Amino acid sequence: QKEVEQDPGPLSVPEGAIVSLNCTYSNSAFQYFMWYRQYSRKGPELLMYTYSSGNKEDGRFTAQVDKSSKYISLFIRDSQPSDSATYLCAMSVGVTDKLIFGTGTRLQVFP
Amino acid sequence: KAGVTQTPRYLIKTRGQQVTLSCSPISGHRSVSWYQQTPGQGLQFLFEYFSETQRNKGNFPGRFSGRQFSNSRSEMNVSTLELGDSALYLCASSRDSIGDTQYFGPGTRLTVL
Repeated sequence: QKEVEQDPGPLSVPEGAIVSLNCTYSNSAFQYFMWYRQYSRKGPELLMYTYSSGNKEDGRFTAQVDKSSKYISLFIRDSQPSDSATYLCAMSVGVTDKLIFGTGTRLQVFP
Repeated sequence: KAGVTQTPRYLIKTRGQQVTLSCSPISGHRSVSWYQQTPGQGLQFLFEYFSETQRNKGNFPGRFSGRQFSNSRSEMNVSTLELGDSALYLCASSRDSIGDTQYFGPGTRLTVL
């Protein structure tokens, strides 16, 4: 079993929809949680960074961490075709520890 | 500010050969991490270098090695290539630690025939 599990999708939604992307993990020591977005033929770019539990909002994006359930989510409001990409969750135990990535969820937002 | 650059962008090799990939981090960044990305396994951590020292290591065989120079530029070497080494190899740099915001390069697409 992988340390971090993520549904590969693809997830196809109409423009304007609310998108929910999720990851589960098995290592209860993870403290740092991130979401990356990767466009085709590009490297990943950091979207959200959260320490420990709770919510964090940035524009149309909201990240949630539920450490008791070992479950993290990324919500995208008012989704746009430009949001079409692969979304990767990542987490680490400490700030100097290696990042463990999920396999990514491919999102397609159609007009 | 220039981003992370990786060379070459594409590479084709045959089994048994060795390959060296190069990464130039963002100016001022001292931490450089390498990842392998494949459709089945996703992004897997190879190693991280900080101030010319390997600080973190993933679970890859010894055929995968790396180094970092005094100017923070990093190279990754894979010896005795296998078909399964075909992947996108990504380099990421961050200011001081792997937990800082990592900026990824575009990657080197390696194909092993």
